[in-house]
Amino acid sequence: AQSVTQLDSQVPVFEEAPVELRCNYSSSVSVYLFWYVQYPNQGLQLLLKYLSGSTLVKGINGFEAEFNKSQTSFHLRKPSVHISDTAEYFCAVSRRKEKLSFGAGTTVTVRA
Amino acid sequence: GAGVSQSPSNKVTEKGKDVELRCDPISGHTALYWYRQSLGQGLEFLIYFQGNSAPDKSGLPSDRFSAERTGGSVSTLTIQRTQQEDSAVYLCASSATGLASNTGELFFGEGSRLTVL
Repeated sequence: AQSVTQLDSQVPVFEEAPVELRCNYSSSVSVYLFWYVQYPNQGLQLLLKYLSGSTLVKGINGFEAEFNKSQTSFHLRKPSVHISDTAEYFCAVSRRKEKLSFGAGTTVTVRA
Repeated sequence: GAGVSQSPSNKVTEKGKDVELRCDPISGHTALYWYRQSLGQGLEFLIYFQGNSAPDKSGLPSDRFSAERTGGSVSTLTIQRTQQEDSAVYLCASSATGLASNTGELFFGEGSRLTVL
């Protein structure tokens, strides 16, 4: 199974500031990469995914992530956050025919 | 159905009782996962069903936990002799994956919140 490391457990950020959430994974072979978001008291929903093709992936709510194969990373970014972006963010990785593996999560708290 | 459905949404039980949590995946989804999320914690993998293959039970924390999936659709997670540390939100997710085209994208239910007194 894949190993996924989310390097920051807590990220406080001011409203309208940029944010980057870091994710690294263990495999050197072809993988599928995902970011999921869990808003307070809600279930998880897909934010964006990388399956193949362009390494820059755009998702919902202005988020984007860049797949870097040489660094085995899939960092999530947003240029300007809103209060409503306060949530927990999970990076996840899978390989063909294998189950999905999740990171431990990063809690983003946006302050006015 | 339109999404993954879990029941009950909330369950309060006494220590030592057995509980059953149900998951109805999205129709046609061949893969089904159970996760546990304790307060302030990440997602803890419990069990994974993929089609007719033997389930991956590597995440079940003890032999008090078991799960089955009948007819390749509905799944039931059973916790016997519940303990207070079993209190958590139990999440079910399904995926439209076959062995030939596994992308792993999951669709999650709202979860079943279990409180063991």
